Amino acid sequence: EAGVAQSPRYKIIEKRQSVAFWCNPISGHATLYWYQQILGQGPKLLIQFQNNGVVDDSQLPKDRFSAERLKGVDSTLKIQPAKLEDSAVYLCASSLDYPGAGETQYFGPGTRLLVL
Amino acid sequence: RKEVEQDPGPFNVPEGATVAFNCTYSNSASQSFFWYRQDCRKEPKLLMSVYSSGNEDGRFTAQLNRASQYISLLIRDSKLSDSATYLCAVNGNTGGFKTIFGAGTRLFVKA
Repeated sequence: EAGVAQSPRYKIIEKRQSVAFWCNPISGHATLYWYQQILGQGPKLLIQFQNNGVVDDSQLPKDRFSAERLKGVDSTLKIQPAKLEDSAVYLCASSLDYPGAGETQYFGPGTRLLVL
Repeated sequence: RKEVEQDPGPFNVPEGATVAFNCTYSNSASQSFFWYRQDCRKEPKLLMSVYSSGNEDGRFTAQLNRASQYISLLIRDSKLSDSATYLCAVNGNTGGFKTIFGAGTRLFVKA
């Protein structure tokens, strides 16, 4: 079974530039998550989709971050404009269903972003 | 107070040792609990779910203490390959089920 795919794997940009990340979840997984993991910290949930609807985006900095999952499959996360503190690993994860039942989340390899 | 707290370590143990980690959570309405393993520069991978009755998988044992609001992970007969960061994760119904991760506990197993 193919895992969660993410691209690009690495990205270096200058502050105030824009960047976009792409995620393809495991086939058939209804729930998709975007996490930000800063060095030395645990993953922090940015946004969670159930199919193509947003379930939780309470920790998404909406003035600069946006995300969409148009057809309930692939998703993109965009940062515009980037700040130095956005340097982190952006992890995409998916699960078969809603996390209320203790669904296992499967993570992609992540995109390492460095903002200079 | 953080919603999910872990001792960052590092824990430095010799091969064959037994080591235990705890993770405390603040939301008493939390409903499901997990331990993930994260190797350096890799993504987190599920190690085990934590059930109310506790569960064991080979050398790994996880326990849940709802009264004191913590989960634990016990690793017996540590191997060099157990060296990693161990993240606890808690799902709670705070206006929608959301997973909160701890910052992780680093484990180094030495020969």
